Amino acid sequence: LAKTTQPVSMDSYEGQEVNITCSHNNIATNDYITWYQQFPSQGPRFIIQGYKTKVTNEVASLFIPADRKSSTLSLPRVSLSDTAVYYCLVEAFGSGNTGKLIFGQGTTLQVKP
Amino acid sequence: GAVVSQHPSRVICKSGTSVKIECRSLDFQATTMFWYRQFPKQSLMLMATSNEGSKATYEQGVEKDKFLINHASLTLSTLTVTSAHPEDSSFYICSAREGKDRGRQPQHFGDGTRLSIL
Repeated sequence: LAKTTQPVSMDSYEGQEVNITCSHNNIATNDYITWYQQFPSQGPRFIIQGYKTKVTNEVASLFIPADRKSSTLSLPRVSLSDTAVYYCLVEAFGSGNTGKLIFGQGTTLQVKP
Repeated sequence: GAVVSQHPSRVICKSGTSVKIECRSLDFQATTMFWYRQFPKQSLMLMATSNEGSKATYEQGVEKDKFLINHASLTLSTLTVTSAHPEDSSFYICSAREGKDRGRQPQHFGDGTRLSIL
């Protein structure tokens, strides 16, 4: 059961790069790391997913060190519209897997002008 | 991209009423669907996991007779809050995952249902 720990909140300014780190010390071999973004009164939105090393897509990068006990979501050049809550989720893969899904408390990112 | 539609977006009703919330995957087949509950300024709490054609698996502390889940097809799951009371007021969110490989496929979330019981 991989529990995640994130900073409660972060502040940034428009145009800056933001890095949010998530700790998951007891991550298991079968676990993937997924990051979601949630705006008020909406469901979360998928940002990026990875297993190890680095993953990049059109909106973010995900850095995962070799021991996989943490991961860092990197948002390049944030804008005001990136103000949201960001969750990291550790999920086990494989059919028939019965691992639990537990969202951590999330990180509230406030982007200022 | 994968789209999940949740309906209704908001419900206001009297205590004792039963409320049904629908969750549909519009452009993919959802082998597994999840139902979450979220209180203000708190994280999502998983209530139950449903697989098409089988009974839902409820998390500890969630009353299955209170929160009835039906996953009758690969594109539709419903959550019925039976005899709702004010303490059931919350933001309910569904998600769906395509395929059986859990971790490789991210969850796709609906936009939630705000339930207010008077």
